[in-house]
Amino acid sequence: GENVEQHPSTLSVQEGDSAVIKCTYSDSASNYFPWYKQELGKGPQLIIDIRSNVGEKKDQRIAVTLNKTAKHFSLHITETQPEDSAVYFCAACETSYDKVIFGPGTSLSVIP
Amino acid sequence: DAGVIQSPRHEVTEMGQEVTLRCKPISGHDYLFWYRQTMMRGLELLIYFNNNVPIDDSGMPEDRFSAKMPNASFSTLKIQPSEPRDSAVYFCASSAPGKQAKNIQYFGAGTRLSVL
Repeated sequence: GENVEQHPSTLSVQEGDSAVIKCTYSDSASNYFPWYKQELGKGPQLIIDIRSNVGEKKDQRIAVTLNKTAKHFSLHITETQPEDSAVYFCAACETSYDKVIFGPGTSLSVIP
Repeated sequence: DAGVIQSPRHEVTEMGQEVTLRCKPISGHDYLFWYRQTMMRGLELLIYFNNNVPIDDSGMPEDRFSAKMPNASFSTLKIQPSEPRDSAVYFCASSAPGKQAKNIQYFGAGTRLSVL
């Protein structure tokens, strides 16, 4: 089955700097890669996603990149703000009707 | 839509007691998932349903855990008897991948369970 690894487990950056979180997956059949953000006391929420037929996707300060050959995908947050502080989960799955496999999470702290 | 609704938000109980967690998925969603989150193990999938039928319960830790989905708008996760190591945040999520063309999971706010 699919296995998703995520690094780093914790990340501290100064406000305004960039943050990068990297993930790898094992199942070459996976073709959909969502990223979720979990704020304190809340459930995870989807913030951006990418399909396997696309190499990069951007939404304001957030971008995701995918290298399907290497089975790597990454989340990039530019101009970080204190409200970006949260736990971020990468995930992988097939777009068929199946479960989503989550990575272990990265705790991001943005220091004002 | 109000989103996925879980109750209670917090539950404190004593070891050996029965605990029932409840979930109302988003209307029209045909998949429902139960997760457990701890610092040590992260976000673990316990069980998921499709059209009220359990599909994969391989993540259920042991026989003390059971889950039901009697209809499309309600699911329960029961722990009997509860143990201190069951203390965690339990999340319910729902999705409708056939309608959305991608597998977006919508999470509830979670139930924080403390077993003393």
